[in-house]
Amino acid sequence: GENVEQHPSTLSVQEGDSAVIKCTYSDSASNYFPWYKQELGKGPQLIIDIRSNVGEKKDQRIAVTLNKTAKHFSLHITETQPEDSAVYFCAAGYTGGGNKLTFGTGTQLKVEL
Amino acid sequence: KAGVTQTPRYLIKTRGQQVTLSCSPISGHRSVSWYQQTPGQGLQFLFEYFSETQRNKGNFPGRFSGRQFSNSRSEMNVSTLELGDSALYLCASTITGNTGELFFGEGSRLTVL
Repeated sequence: GENVEQHPSTLSVQEGDSAVIKCTYSDSASNYFPWYKQELGKGPQLIIDIRSNVGEKKDQRIAVTLNKTAKHFSLHITETQPEDSAVYFCAAGYTGGGNKLTFGTGTQLKVEL
Repeated sequence: KAGVTQTPRYLIKTRGQQVTLSCSPISGHRSVSWYQQTPGQGLQFLFEYFSETQRNKGNFPGRFSGRQFSNSRSEMNVSTLELGDSALYLCASTITGNTGELFFGEGSRLTVL
């Protein structure tokens, strides 16, 4: 089955700096890669996703890149703010697999003032 | 529009007991997925239901089961509880039948003593 590895497990940055979280996947059939943000005491919330027919997608301060050949994808957050502090999860799924997602183990991002 | 509602939010059980968790999806959503979240393992997929049919199942023992009703509400059951079943159980719903945004509830936190 699919296996998703995520690094780093914790990340501390200064406000205004950029943050990068990286994930690798094992199943070449995977073609859908969402990123979720989980704040304390809440369920995960989708922040951005990318499908395998594109290499990059941006939404304001957030961007995701995908390298299908290397089977890795990354989340980039620019101009970090204290409210970006949360746990971020990458995930992989595939068309025809329903809504089943395989998640990475999460990255605790702390944005310090 | 109401979000995904999970009940109960917290519960404590002892080993050997069973537990039933409930999930009410967002109105109009027909797919409901369940995930187990633990500190070391991240989110692990349990099962997905779509139009009352189990469409996907994760690698959990048969003690974990679920069902979906005609109004899309879902329940999951864990029998013969073990200490290792202590976790946050998250339910997610989506309107699409395939690889779309998952809307998570806040979870049911189960503690097994």
